[in-house]
Amino acid sequence: AQSVTQLDSQVPVFEEAPVELRCNYSSSVSVYLFWYVQYPNQGLQLLLKYLSGSTLVKGINGFEAEFNKSQTSFHLRKPSVHISDTAEYFCAVRYRDDKIIFGKGTRLHILP
Amino acid sequence: SAVISQKPSRDICQRGTSLTIQCQVDSQVTMMFWYRQQPGQSLTLIATANQGSEATYESGFVIDKFPISRPNLTFSTLTVSNMSPEDSSIYLCSVETSAVGEQYFGPGTRLTVT
Repeated sequence: AQSVTQLDSQVPVFEEAPVELRCNYSSSVSVYLFWYVQYPNQGLQLLLKYLSGSTLVKGINGFEAEFNKSQTSFHLRKPSVHISDTAEYFCAVRYRDDKIIFGKGTRLHILP
Repeated sequence: SAVISQKPSRDICQRGTSLTIQCQVDSQVTMMFWYRQQPGQSLTLIATANQGSEATYESGFVIDKFPISRPNLTFSTLTVSNMSPEDSSIYLCSVETSAVGEQYFGPGTRLTVT
């Protein structure tokens, strides 16, 4: 069965430090890849997406992600985090002609 | 993109009662989805609601428990019937726009069953 794995349930990081949130998916067939962010008491907001083309994708709020087909990964990065980045981050994968599958989420804690 | 609103934003209900959640979109969309997000968990798809056809339910979810209506291209409702404490969760509505696979989410309805 298709699956999405977010390797870290929680990631603490100091303010202004870089961060990487990891995401791996189960198949190397054609996929669409997404990162969503959920701020406290809010719905999910699309952060960025990979559909095709350049493997480095830039999103909102200074985030970017790199699609690595050989490693079936789509890790999310930000060079310098801010306290406002405190949120839950969900990786999602859509296999062609199928529904979206969400990972279990990674809670990003920004330490002062 | 799409702007989605949900009503109510939260509710506390008694065991055995039912609650209907409304989802309104600011543009016409074909595909709407209902998800459940239990505390500390990821999103679980309950059903897909396309206008003009019966909702398609995922494994573990049935129409008698979660009836869905989709009367037009901008509106849908999800009813949580005969509630138990296990139904306490956040219920999220989402839509898929013309961009392939991209979904937009409502703010969610936080349901607590006592």
